Amino acid sequence: EAQVTQNPRYLITVTGKKLTVTCSQNMNHEYMSWYRQDPGLGLRQIYYSMNVEVTDKGDVPEGYKVSRKEKRNFPLILESPSPNQTSLYFCASRAGYEKLFFGSGTQLSVL
Amino acid sequence: AQSVAQPEDQVNVAEGNPLTVKCTYSVSGNPYLFWYVQYPNRGLQFLLKYITGDNLVKGSYGFEAEFNKSQTSFHLKKPSALVSDSALYFCAVRDGDTGGFKTIFGAGTRLFVKA
Repeated sequence: EAQVTQNPRYLITVTGKKLTVTCSQNMNHEYMSWYRQDPGLGLRQIYYSMNVEVTDKGDVPEGYKVSRKEKRNFPLILESPSPNQTSLYFCASRAGYEKLFFGSGTQLSVL
Repeated sequence: AQSVAQPEDQVNVAEGNPLTVKCTYSVSGNPYLFWYVQYPNRGLQFLLKYITGDNLVKGSYGFEAEFNKSQTSFHLKKPSALVSDSALYFCAVRDGDTGGFKTIFGAGTRLFVKA
């Protein structure tokens, strides 16, 4: 089954404790992206990657890092999380100019 | 710069009645337009898209949308709403002339369909 898999689904952490949210897709898509969803703001792009070792900032990249060492994986790293990073996070991938496939989301709470 | 506006935070409609969820966009090049739906505790699911061709596009679950270039709109419609259509709907746009690196989403419209 074609899918984007994110882990964990829920995460509660404390300020400053490094964390990684994993994302993997099995569709051989070149393009992958991370979004955060906040009420009233919709989805805002954090980072995207056009291919292995090619990443670029989206609209809200501050406080986040990403890496793309393999085509299928695109982890999101928060090296020093802060409460304003409490949000619902989505990973997505696509082929060419087609639709985005989304993961199920990661609800992050930073205390 | 690209932008998407969904002017209604919430739309309420009775089951069996037609529904419209509005979307207007701004993009410098050719617009690639999308609608996605989000059910509770789920990721976003693709409904339909306009890239080129007929202005009226049909998608999943009986939804359709009309591309109007002069009004820069891409409203989502369904002739007869179902209670199960209640969800959060997002309009999105990409600039087809710049490689489409970014997809910009609207703030979302919550649809309530009452039985």
